Amino acid sequence: DAGITQSPRHKVTETGTPVTLRCHQTENHRYMYWYRQDPGHGLRLIHYSYGVKDTDKGEVSDGYSVSRSKTEDFLLTLESATSSQTSVYFCAIRSQQGNTEAFFGQGTRLTVV
Amino acid sequence: AQSVTQLGSHVSVSEGALVLLRCNYSSSVPPYLFWYVQYPNQGLQLLLKYTSAATLVKGINGFEAEFKKSETSFHLTKPSAHMSDAAEYFCAVSVDQGGGADGLTFGKGTHLIIQP
Repeated sequence: DAGITQSPRHKVTETGTPVTLRCHQTENHRYMYWYRQDPGHGLRLIHYSYGVKDTDKGEVSDGYSVSRSKTEDFLLTLESATSSQTSVYFCAIRSQQGNTEAFFGQGTRLTVV
Repeated sequence: AQSVTQLGSHVSVSEGALVLLRCNYSSSVPPYLFWYVQYPNQGLQLLLKYTSAATLVKGINGFEAEFKKSETSFHLTKPSAHMSDAAEYFCAVSVDQGGGADGLTFGKGTHLIIQP
C-alpha cells in the first residue's frame, strides 16, 4: 500500500470552530489532493498541490484553505466549520499527471454539529 | 476541460451474472482512464487503467475494461459477479496539462449490488 496517513480518522466539531485535517505521505510524490465525498456527488476536488507551497483551488474550495510546507504533508483547514462541511474527506497522492494513478488515504469522517 | 459520466448510480446483478458498469468521458485531448473500487469505510483502490498501450485492459479481481474512442466509453465488465464485488465503483479521466494544473476528474460513482 502507498504510504498515506490521514489524521484524525474521525472528528466531531461544533459549528464555527476551525478544523485542520492532516495528510502525510512517505512516497515523495509531487501531487497531493483533498477531496470530499458525499452521497450523490461522488468525489469532489477541494484543493490540490503540485509542489511545496504550490497549491490551487478545486471544484468546491469555498470555506477551505490548504498549506504544504513540506513535500510529505498537506493540511486542509476549515476556517469556520459549517454543517454543510459534514462529509468524508480523502487525501490522495500522485507522482505525476497523465497516465499515473492516484493513491488514496483511508479517509477522515468529519461531523459538524 | 475533461469530464466523466457514469450511467446508473446503482446497478444490481445476481451472483454469477455479468457485471457491466458504464463510463463515458469527454476530453479535447487524448485521455487516460481509470477505474477505482471503494469498499465500505475504505479509501479508493485502483482496479485498472488505460494508458494507450492496449484498448482492452485487464485489472484485478477478474475485471476488465475496453477503451472505445469512437464511443468515448470505458465500460467496466466482469463475466461472473461474486458477492465480494459489492462496492462503489468510480471511473476517472486524466489528461496531461501544462504547468501545475491538475487533470484528474472522477465520475459520481456506481454502487454495485450483488443479489444472492
